[in-house]
Amino acid sequence: GQNIDQPTEMTATEGAIVQINCTYQTSGFNGLFWYQQHAGEAPTFLSYNVLDGLEEKGRFSSFLSRSKGYSYLLLKELQMKDSASYLCAVLDSNYQLIWGAGTKLIIKP
Amino acid sequence: DGGITQSPKYLFRKEGQNVTLSCEQNLNHDAMYWYRQDPGQGLRLIYYSQIVNDFQKGDIAEGYSVSREKKESFPLTVTSAQKNPTAFYLCASSKGAEADGYTFGSGTRLTVV
Repeated sequence: GQNIDQPTEMTATEGAIVQINCTYQTSGFNGLFWYQQHAGEAPTFLSYNVLDGLEEKGRFSSFLSRSKGYSYLLLKELQMKDSASYLCAVLDSNYQLIWGAGTKLIIKP
Repeated sequence: DGGITQSPKYLFRKEGQNVTLSCEQNLNHDAMYWYRQDPGQGLRLIYYSQIVNDFQKGDIAEGYSVSREKKESFPLTVTSAQKNPTAFYLCASSKGAEADGYTFGSGTRLTVV
């Protein structure tokens, strides 16, 4: 079966750095996405990785290791508005997105 | 501005009733999707359509139906056969190019009363 694992919840302090991990086992791989979702709202696109390595975009970076079936999302200089759920999703061999359950990130002052 | 619109935002349904959720996009995207989101679970695919007049069942299609008569529109009907319909429903669209990901509507929260 296909499986994507993320921690259920994480807590971090405003101004700090947090790393949210995602491991996956899917039938094929055509890229990995990270989305941010505030409570009761639609997910919004953060990043897309298809090759190994680190992609940096402002305060957010995303890393991929295809051989390990592993990705992480790194958030720097945390702000209160970063409190949200972060969803990891993998595009499988049929170009369908397989979603993790999401990681709820709580930012404390 | 281009985007994807879902309506209504909140919907209440009596048991035994069918209800239709609207999803409209003006992004000229070919593919459209319906997901269901429950607390503590990932998004689960209900139906998807990659082209007008064609659609495919997702992982949890039972109790749901869709149509794709126009490129812009992909309505979802939650039928009385769906035993546990209370959930947050998300519609999405994509160009089909992998790196672009999906654009989501703002969602409809359906509650059975």
